[in-house]
Amino acid sequence: GAGVSQTPSNKVTEKGKYVELRCDPISGHTALYWYRQSLGQGPEFLIYFQGTGAADDSGLPNDRFFAVRPEGSVSTLKIQRTERGDSAVYLCASSLSGVYGYTFGSGTRLTVV
Amino acid sequence: GQQLNQSPQSMFIQEGEDVSMNCTSSSIFNTWLWYKQDPGEGPVLLIALYKAGELTSNGRLTAQFGITRKDSFLNISASIPSDVGIYFCAGQSGNTPLVFGKGTRLSVIA
Repeated sequence: GAGVSQTPSNKVTEKGKYVELRCDPISGHTALYWYRQSLGQGPEFLIYFQGTGAADDSGLPNDRFFAVRPEGSVSTLKIQRTERGDSAVYLCASSLSGVYGYTFGSGTRLTVV
Repeated sequence: GQQLNQSPQSMFIQEGEDVSMNCTSSSIFNTWLWYKQDPGEGPVLLIALYKAGELTSNGRLTAQFGITRKDSFLNISASIPSDVGIYFCAGQSGNTPLVFGKGTRLSVIA
């Protein structure tokens, strides 16, 4: 597509539930990134894919968070047993090579109540 | 996670004034980038810098990559109302993921 597409744009879920956030990167971009942005903060790195494999998942806060990119295009960020502290905007970005700047999607605003 | 020190946190300026903001890091970066974020949107790339000492312009925006590779600044000349938003610096070493500052919130008074 023309840009990075993230769905849903907003998600409200109850504490303890499971959620999936989807990212559709720019066609042909091999690098895909997930960031989390809390209110008043800059984006914080979660995980980076180069193709189908997770090249760096050092930013995932704990084992409730997991992400996949099975065909090297669309990625899904999965959060199990959501907690109120997981509430944030989850941003996805893609890049042709990982070096020359990223293109971000509009994000998914997750609210855990 | 690591974040860069970005200042000021916020600024209120009159339309037509020039703006300056900067970013510092304890680590050396090979790339500095500046992004702007509008409400409800993701950050949009404004300027990318790839070489220490490099000075790059994009319209009314000018950014510099510090000689020590630990800092960068962004200037906006003759501000207009649509410059309102949050500006983020980001640093990168090699192919590692971008590290972002906490942002500078810019408000322009017409």
